Amino acid sequence: GQNIDQPTEMTATEGAIVQINCTYQTSGFNGLFWYQQHAGEAPTFLSYNVLDGLEEKGRFSSFLSRSKGYSYLLLKELQMKDSASYLCAVRDGSENRDDKIIFGKGTRLHILP
Amino acid sequence: GAVVSQHPSWVICKSGTSVKIECRSLDFQATTMFWYRQFPKQSLMLMATSNEGSKATYEQGVEKDKFLINHASLTLSTLTVTSAHPEDSSFYICSAGVRGLKNEQFFGPGTRLTVL
Repeated sequence: GQNIDQPTEMTATEGAIVQINCTYQTSGFNGLFWYQQHAGEAPTFLSYNVLDGLEEKGRFSSFLSRSKGYSYLLLKELQMKDSASYLCAVRDGSENRDDKIIFGKGTRLHILP
Repeated sequence: GAVVSQHPSWVICKSGTSVKIECRSLDFQATTMFWYRQFPKQSLMLMATSNEGSKATYEQGVEKDKFLINHASLTLSTLTVTSAHPEDSSFYICSAGVRGLKNEQFFGPGTRLTVL
């Protein structure tokens, strides 16, 4: 089976730092994605981790620990435009369909001025 | 970057009619396309995986006779919602897979379906 957990909602202040956690349980694992989605729009790619460690890309960083089934997305210097849903997704290779990506329910991030 | 388009962007139809949604990869060939459905304030739920030239693979609980998927070429997949009902109203999003190190999926802009 597959299970991806992340907080439903979070609130942070403009200019601050926020960390969105994601834990997963899948029978196969071939990488973890983070996507950003604004209301009414399609998701946009933020990051991809397949090896343990931290991947940094500008204000956004993503961390993965495969042994713990854990990842986080770190957003620095928050801006109002960062108010969106953040989707944790796992590429599941358990059924020999290695392109299949399963999404968590998403974390709605609210940025306060 | 890879661009995926969807048409139409929104559609309103009467209950009982069928609606076709197109998904195109504009600047690359996608061997695999995925169809998702998203209800308000919910995450994306994978409906089916579409491979060019073969039958789509549907997720558990998705009626293949109701959601017809055709992937006739490496750049086009279509989803037809047959005999649509109000409960089918949702945001339908396709994505196209690009083989490579990241096996990243590129998403289309989505189609908002409202069934009256």
